[in-house]
Amino acid sequence: QVHLVQSGAEVKKPGSSVKVSCKASGGTFINYAISWVRQAPGQGLECMGRIIPIIGITNYAQQFQGRVTLTADKSTSTAYMELSSLRSEDTAVYYCTTSYYYDSDGSVEGYFHPWGQGTLVTVSS
Amino acid sequence: EIVMTQSPATLSVSPGERATLSCRASQSLSSNLAWYQQRPGQAPKLLIYGASTRATGIPARFSGSGSGTEFTLTISSLQSEDFAFYSCQQYNHWPPTFGQGTKVEIK
Repeated sequence: QVHLVQSGAEVKKPGSSVKVSCKASGGTFINYAISWVRQAPGQGLECMGRIIPIIGITNYAQQFQGRVTLTADKSTSTAYMELSSLRSEDTAVYYCTTSYYYDSDGSVEGYFHPWGQGTLVTVSS
Repeated sequence: EIVMTQSPATLSVSPGERATLSCRASQSLSSNLAWYQQRPGQAPKLLIYGASTRATGIPARFSGSGSGTEFTLTISSLQSEDFAFYSCQQYNHWPPTFGQGTKVEIK
């Protein structure tokens, strides 16, 4: 089973960008889609989008379209989430997580397991 | 996007008692629903997928039921480690969406 390790906490100014990494160990991305889910303080979970590294396809939730970019480096089994034009409401813990990808028919399991440990991004002037 | 509504927001239960958590979807999901447990300061952990299938290693005291728009997570006899935050998630429609969660606390 793949184990996901994320980069450390970040403090950013409003209007800037942040890039969070997620490295898979004990396995590779070959059979997985990598999704990014965030959780603002005291709030529920919110899916931002996903990338399927083996075919390079990305899907974004509409509310993040144009502000988030998901990429992946297959050679290092590392995924990245970059969020731009940061505002205070983007202060949250950002998680990467996986879903199984079936290359036989291109489908992706919709539930998430496992999860990275989370990265706190604080946006403050 | 599909709106997921969980109830109650907080559930106070004594150890050893049964806990029943509800999750309602704004549209039919078939059985494409998952449940997660989240302890303070930790990442979510998959408990149930397909509305009723326990994930690997999840104790049998956790069970899920329902289909369509109404779903339930039942914890048959609460252990100390079960006092946590629980979220439901639909994956029948893009994007996946989560409920606001239920906190299960010690009574």
